[in-house]
Amino acid sequence: GQNIDQPTEMTATEGAIVQINCTYQTSGFNGLFWYQQHAGEAPTFLSYNVLDGLEEKGRFSSFLSRSKGYSYLLLKELQMKDSASYLCAVLDSNYQLIWGAGTKLIIKP
Amino acid sequence: GAVVSQHPSWVICKSGTSVKIECRSLDFQATTMFWYRQFPKQSLMLMATSNEGSKATYEQGVEKDKFLINHASLTLSTLTVTSAHPEDSSFYICSAREGGEADTQYFGPGTRLTVL
Repeated sequence: GQNIDQPTEMTATEGAIVQINCTYQTSGFNGLFWYQQHAGEAPTFLSYNVLDGLEEKGRFSSFLSRSKGYSYLLLKELQMKDSASYLCAVLDSNYQLIWGAGTKLIIKP
Repeated sequence: GAVVSQHPSWVICKSGTSVKIECRSLDFQATTMFWYRQFPKQSLMLMATSNEGSKATYEQGVEKDKFLINHASLTLSTLTVTSAHPEDSSFYICSAREGGEADTQYFGPGTRLTVL
């Protein structure tokens, strides 16, 4: 079956760096998305990786290793507003989105 | 984890026809279901929120007569795109939530609609 794994919850301190991991086993691969979702709001697009390597976008970076079925989202200089759920989703061979359950990130002062 | 399915996975239709997309929660009862539209590499745009047994709440700018939503049971919600036009071509994603706002939202795999 198809599966996406990411930690349920993580806690980090304001100003620090946190890495949220995502591992996947899917039938085919056409890219991996990271979304941020605040409670009661729609998910916001953060990144899309289809090739191996690191993509940096401001305080957020996303890494992909297709051979390992692994990605991570790196958040630097954490701010209180970064407290949210972070969703990992893979586009499979049928261009269907397979979603992780999300990682709830709690930022403490 | 909880599973949400959508049917069909993809659909191609002629302009002017109507298309129905189903969203099912397979192993839990969804008090609330959400319908989103996704454009390539962009955030999910919330179209409407539906609670079982009541009328859907549409976001500003979403035509409720064009996008009919029915949440007939705790495991099924349907989105009907009426009189579809090419500009309605998109990736439609549903999600389901068992309880209140603090509960996890589980997303479906999406339905790709192409209107010719």
